[in-house]
Amino acid sequence: DAGVTQSPTHLIKTRGQHVTLRCSPISGHKSVSWYQQVLGQGPQFIFQYYEKEERGRGNFPDRFSARQFPNYSSELNVNALLLGDSALYLCASSYPTGRNTEAFFGQGTRLTVV
Amino acid sequence: GENVEQHPSTLSVQEGDSAVIKCTYSDSASNYFPWYKQELGKRPQLIIDIRSNVGEKKDQRIAVTLNKTAKHFSLHITETQPEDSAVYFCAASIAAGNQFYFGTGTSLTVIP
Repeated sequence: DAGVTQSPTHLIKTRGQHVTLRCSPISGHKSVSWYQQVLGQGPQFIFQYYEKEERGRGNFPDRFSARQFPNYSSELNVNALLLGDSALYLCASSYPTGRNTEAFFGQGTRLTVV
Repeated sequence: GENVEQHPSTLSVQEGDSAVIKCTYSDSASNYFPWYKQELGKRPQLIIDIRSNVGEKKDQRIAVTLNKTAKHFSLHITETQPEDSAVYFCAASIAAGNQFYFGTGTSLTVIP
């Protein structure tokens, strides 16, 4: 059974550019959450989607957006990239109920903004 | 919003000794508290979790305790082994769904 998969694994972008990160949840999981992990810190919650609807948003600027598709995969978009957006972006999926249950993380996308 | 604090930031123990990591949270509505282990360059992996209706949970060498009144919870690892060396994160979740608020992490080193 495949785990949570994210693509790409590494990405280098220039300031001001736009980036799209992708996440495929574990089969049967309908909840997907996104986190930003800056080096040396804990993951910070960005978005949660459940059944294709946004269920929560962390303290991030409007440059960050996301969506969930009918197959429950998800995209995280970041516009007008800043140097400070350099981080590991993690996606997590969980069971269909969407309640507080175990979240399984992907391996992350390492974004470097230069 | 929820604020989770974690101490210590680094911890070194001799193999076989115990390790304790402590976290506090701010929002009394938080009701789910997972602990994740993250090895260098790898994804966070759940090692144990506890819900607000339980005071303690144990899984072999790992245990977690929760004090709802004081809003703090702790991870206890007994008989530590070199493979326990990693960064450990506590987290708290308020609402339904996996909206976790993480602590800043504890880098545990087990010295053989």
